[in-house]
Amino acid sequence: NAGVTQTPKFQVLKTGQSMTLQCAQDMNHNSMYWYRQDPGMGLRLIYYSASEGTTDKGEVPNGYNVSRLNKREFSLRLESAAPSQTSVYFCASRPFPGSTSTDTQYFGPGTRLTVL
Amino acid sequence: GQQLNQSPQSMFIQEGEDVSMNCTSSSIFNTWLWYKQDPGEGPVLLIALYKAGELTSNGRLTAQFGITRKDSFLNISASIPSDVGIYFCAGPVTGNQFYFGTGTSLTVIP
Repeated sequence: NAGVTQTPKFQVLKTGQSMTLQCAQDMNHNSMYWYRQDPGMGLRLIYYSASEGTTDKGEVPNGYNVSRLNKREFSLRLESAAPSQTSVYFCASRPFPGSTSTDTQYFGPGTRLTVL
Repeated sequence: GQQLNQSPQSMFIQEGEDVSMNCTSSSIFNTWLWYKQDPGEGPVLLIALYKAGELTSNGRLTAQFGITRKDSFLNISASIPSDVGIYFCAGPVTGNQFYFGTGTSLTVIP
């Protein structure tokens, strides 16, 4: 049981390049999330997927797209990377509300992205 | 968007000291969550609070759900070096979204 896994761990891009960040969870969770973390700003939600087949914008969606490929996988794509997208990206998953005694999110280890 | 303000932003304390931090919101929460993020890792849940006035402990950690439902507090007693990290408060604001505070960075000096 690996929990939430993210690939790659580190990435350096040039401005204008594209890339996809991968996330997978093996806990049979319904909801999945993508956050970015910048110094002094906490975690800000980019996109989330409440269940397989649905995606919704979060607080900072501009410049990103997502795909909920199946129940396990939720990818984040940067079509044309910009220096402002330099950040640490975290994927998280959450069980169906009420299905466990603790309503929380489980986080992956993060992807550290630098855009030059 | 939702504002969750944490204070202090950072703390430098001696090993063995107690730590207090808090989180305030501009609106009411029905759940408060406290996470810890170790350097280079993702956040991990420490304590969950579900009722106004609730006081919950997890080892040396104690968290309280404020009576107004707009604040929460986390205390760490007898700090040790492995307490180093960033502490976040969070709460669900819609059925599926969570908002996170800006974090309190804790440094423990041996």
